[in-house]
Amino acid sequence: NAGVTQTPKFRVLKTGQSMTLLCAQDMNHEYMYWYRQDPGMGLRLIHYSVGEGTTAKGEVPDGYNVSRLKKQNFLLGLESAAPSQTSVYFCASSYSRNTDTQYFGPGTRLTVL
Amino acid sequence: ILNVEQSPQSLHVQEGDSTNFTCSFPSSNFYALHWYRWETAKSPEALFVMTLNGDEKKKGRISATLNTKEGYSYLYIKGSQPEDSATYLCAFVTTSGTYKYIFGTGTRLKVLA
Repeated sequence: NAGVTQTPKFRVLKTGQSMTLLCAQDMNHEYMYWYRQDPGMGLRLIHYSVGEGTTAKGEVPDGYNVSRLKKQNFLLGLESAAPSQTSVYFCASSYSRNTDTQYFGPGTRLTVL
Repeated sequence: ILNVEQSPQSLHVQEGDSTNFTCSFPSSNFYALHWYRWETAKSPEALFVMTLNGDEKKKGRISATLNTKEGYSYLYIKGSQPEDSATYLCAFVTTSGTYKYIFGTGTRLKVLA
């Protein structure tokens, strides 16, 4: 099992460009999450999904959109990137919502110039 | 705003020393408390999940305790080794609101050989 994978690992964008980050999990988990991690701050939840076809806003959703068309994939989109979105993005998944462990991907380092 | 605080932010210990750090969280609406270990350039990995007041969990030289009434959890490492060097994250899960899984900012541990 690959667990949780993320593509790409690194990306540099110019302000205003768009991109999509892909998260894939092969553990048949219902719940998937996108976090961002910034220096001096904890992991902050951007959006999450409780199952195929569903998405919900987290703590810091502005400027991002997500889709969960297939159970195993969770996409994070930036329509018009801003320097404030420079961060490391982590995807995670879990079988259930509250007490189950979250399994994290390796992260995507995004720089917006 | 729900605050999850970890202390200290960072510490250095000598190989063989025992150490502990704290995760403080709101004492109301408690559902679960998770501990994760996060090595540099890797993704967070689960250590423990605790749900009951008085819970104690142990994995090798690492153990954790939980006090939900006063809102804290301790993580202990006995006989620290260089491979224990990592950031230790706690995550508080609350019953209030639609979804609240809140990470602390972590304690960065460096074990010196």
